[in-house]
Amino acid sequence: NAGVTQTPKFQVLKTGQSMTLQCAQDMNHNSMYWYRQDPGMGLRLIYYSASEGTTDKGEVPNGYNVSRLNKREFSLRLESAAPSQTSVYFCASSEAGLAGNEQFFGPGTRLTVL
Amino acid sequence: GENVEQHPSTLSVQEGDSAVIKCTYSDSASNYFPWYKQELGKRPQLIIDIRSNVGEKKDQRIAVTLNKTAKHFSLHITETQPEDSAVYFCAALRPTGRRALTFGSGTRLQVQP
Repeated sequence: NAGVTQTPKFQVLKTGQSMTLQCAQDMNHNSMYWYRQDPGMGLRLIYYSASEGTTDKGEVPNGYNVSRLNKREFSLRLESAAPSQTSVYFCASSEAGLAGNEQFFGPGTRLTVL
Repeated sequence: GENVEQHPSTLSVQEGDSAVIKCTYSDSASNYFPWYKQELGKRPQLIIDIRSNVGEKKDQRIAVTLNKTAKHFSLHITETQPEDSAVYFCAALRPTGRRALTFGSGTRLQVQP
């Protein structure tokens, strides 16, 4: 099993350009998440999808959109990139459940917006 | 929503010493508290977790304690080794509403050989 995969690994954009970050998981998990990680600020939730067909905003959703394409795939789109979106982006997945379950993270995408 | 505070932000210990990282959370409804380790340039990985019906959990050199009344939980690493050097994140999960982890800001642990 590959676990959680993300593409691309690195990306440089100019201000105003758009791009989509791709994420896929092969663990048959119901829930998927997008985080951004900035120095000294931990992991902040951008959007999440509790199950196929649903998406919800997290702490920092402005400037982003998501699509839960199917159970395996959850993409993050930047419509008009800004320097403030320079960050490392992690996708994660987990089994749903009220008791909480381990989140498995992808390898991350390092995005620089000039 | 949930708010998780983590202290200290950096911690330096000598090899063989113990390390303790503390977190507090704001929402008394939170019921799941994982700890993640992130090595430089790598993805976060779960090292231990605890649920609200348990006060303490141990896995070899790592232990986590939970005080629900005070709304804080701690990570304890004994007999530290250089390979324990990493950034550690605590997190909390509410059973209702936003069903996603809220993370602390991280602790950079350095174990000096």
